[in-house]
Amino acid sequence: LAKTTQPISMDSYEGQEVNITCSHNNIATNDYITWYQQFPSQGPRFIIQGYKTKVTNEVASLFIPADRKSSTLSLPRVSLSDTAVYYCLVGPWDQGGKLIFGQGTELSVKP
Amino acid sequence: DVKVTQSSRYLVKRTGEKVFLECVQDMDHENMFWYRQDPGLGLRLIYFSYDVKMKEKGDIPEGYSVSREKKERFSLILESASTNQTSMYLCASSERQPGTNEKLFFGSGTQLSVL
Repeated sequence: LAKTTQPISMDSYEGQEVNITCSHNNIATNDYITWYQQFPSQGPRFIIQGYKTKVTNEVASLFIPADRKSSTLSLPRVSLSDTAVYYCLVGPWDQGGKLIFGQGTELSVKP
Repeated sequence: DVKVTQSSRYLVKRTGEKVFLECVQDMDHENMFWYRQDPGLGLRLIYFSYDVKMKEKGDIPEGYSVSREKKERFSLILESASTNQTSMYLCASSERQPGTNEKLFFGSGTQLSVL
């Protein structure tokens, strides 16, 4: 499974766009990129998944360059409630439960 | 919405006790997983199951066992609890559909303290 690297922590202010980048240099051809969000005292929650280019849903956008060696999770106009840990996972589409959750990126949104 | 329910939110046990952590999902998912989460270590996979009565070891199975007698229920068992098993335990489920993206649905977790 591909190893991922993402910042340990980030700070932002309400209303700003937040971009969290994840590096995955040894991503394989059949690997997908998946992001989860975890609030304190809760289990992680699926946010978005993509394979290439751009994916957008009601929560976030995921940008994946052509070489797929990195990906960027974009959260538009964050609010205090977006304060959470964000995990980037890389692996085959059918290995969701066996993917490696690293330390994630702790996002702190301030007023 | 998929619901994954863990039987206890907080649990305090003594060293040497046998501990059962229960997890139930209501969406008929084939796959179920047990993780533990510790500060600085992220989530680590303990055991998983792709079908009833089936189980496979994850990354850290030592000191744990599991049981899946019914599709909706996946139990984690600590045969003889030790202090180093103090942790947040998270259960998850997912549905296997070829050609679609497998998403994990997590419970709220059980914070286990072994004294």
